[in-house]
Formats: sequence, C-alpha cells, structure tokens
Amino acid sequence: DGGITQSPKYLFRKEGQNVTLSCEQNLNHDAMYWYRQDPGQGLRLIYYSQIVNDFQKGDIAEGYSVSREKKESFPLTVTSAQKNPTAFYLCASRGQGAYEQYFGPGTRLTVT
Amino acid sequence: QKEVEQNSGPLSVPEGAIASLNCTYSDRVSQSFFWYRQYSGKSPELIMSIYSNGDKEDGRFTAQLNKASQYVSLLIRDSQPSDSATYLCAVNPQTPPYSGAGSYQLTFGKGTKLSVIP
Repeated sequence: DGGITQSPKYLFRKEGQNVTLSCEQNLNHDAMYWYRQDPGQGLRLIYYSQIVNDFQKGDIAEGYSVSREKKESFPLTVTSAQKNPTAFYLCASRGQGAYEQYFGPGTRLTVT
Repeated sequence: QKEVEQNSGPLSVPEGAIASLNCTYSDRVSQSFFWYRQYSGKSPELIMSIYSNGDKEDGRFTAQLNKASQYVSLLIRDSQPSDSATYLCAVNPQTPPYSGAGSYQLTFGKGTKLSVIP
C-alpha cells in the first residue's frame, strides 16, 4: 500500500533534549512538508523540501532542523532551542505536477 | 500576509440536513482551493479540490468557488454523524499544471468544527 508513515505516534521527552520525528513516503512524491498543529492555531509550516538535498524554512522554523538525503524520507529534529515543542506534528507530501498535499498520521510530542 | 478565514464553529446540524461550511481568503491571486476533513486526534484527509469558479460535486460533497468574492464553500448533503469533524480550508496561489516556479505551499484556515446531531 502506498502512503505516508510517521513514527512514533506518541513521543514523550524531557525539556532540554533533542528529538527526531520520522516521516517516510512510498508515493514517489518529490515534495515533502512538516507542519505543526496546536489547538485553535491551525496548521503552521515548519520546513519543506521540493527535491533531495534541498529544503527551505517555513513560517516557524526556529528551533527545528531537517534533512532530505533520500526522496522517501524527511526527518524533523525538534531541538532544545524550540521554546514550546509540545504539539501535534504532521508530515505531508505532494507529487510533481499536483498541488494537493497528503498527510501522514502525525506524531504527538509532549515535552515536560 | 496571506490569510484564510473560517468560522471556528461549532456548527451543529441535524442528521440528514445540509451542512454549509464557508471560507474566505485574502490573497487575490489564489487559484487552487482544497477542503480537508480532520477527525479528532487524527490527521487531515483531503476530500475536495477546486480550481475554477462554480460548483464541483463528489458524492454528498459540493465545493463552490467564487473568486470575485474570494470565498470557497463546502456543502455536505444528507449529513451523517460520521461527518462530525473539523473541516480545514486551504488555498494555494498557483494553478496546475506544474510550472516549475513557486513553493506550492498551502495556507490553511483554522478550521470549522461540524457536529451532526442524530
């Protein structure tokens, strides 16, 4: 089955620790995106990548880092510099020639 | 700043009625519009896309676009309790096919929570 997978589903970390969220897709999509969703805030773009080895900052990139070494994978690292990391993190992908984005199941991160 | 506005709701409709969800956007060059459904605790699921003025129907869903007035709406006919979810409107300033330019980002509204009462 083609799709987008994110792991883990739930993640708990102590303040001051870096944590990496996984996103993998087997849709052969070129573009991948990371969003953050907070209650009442809607989706906010963290980073996006349109091709391998290239990525751009979104609206709220501070405290986050990404890599795109493979077309299928776009991991997101939440660093200790991110002031309010507790949120629902969503990965999405888009095929070439299309504008629709498709989402993975998400990772709910709780930092205490 | 490109903005997409939606009434947060909750919008409550009785089972079998038509639910009407509205979305306005500020960027006049927006050309591609999408509706996503998000169940509580789950990720958004794409249910409709529309690019041209007028109506687009898919089963019980109809998307309506009026670029002159800068609004897009989603109608759900014969609403079912399983339609209870938050509906997100998203816009993108570019039209298909892929032109090789731009970021193809989507700007999302905050969503309207729909509750269908049995």
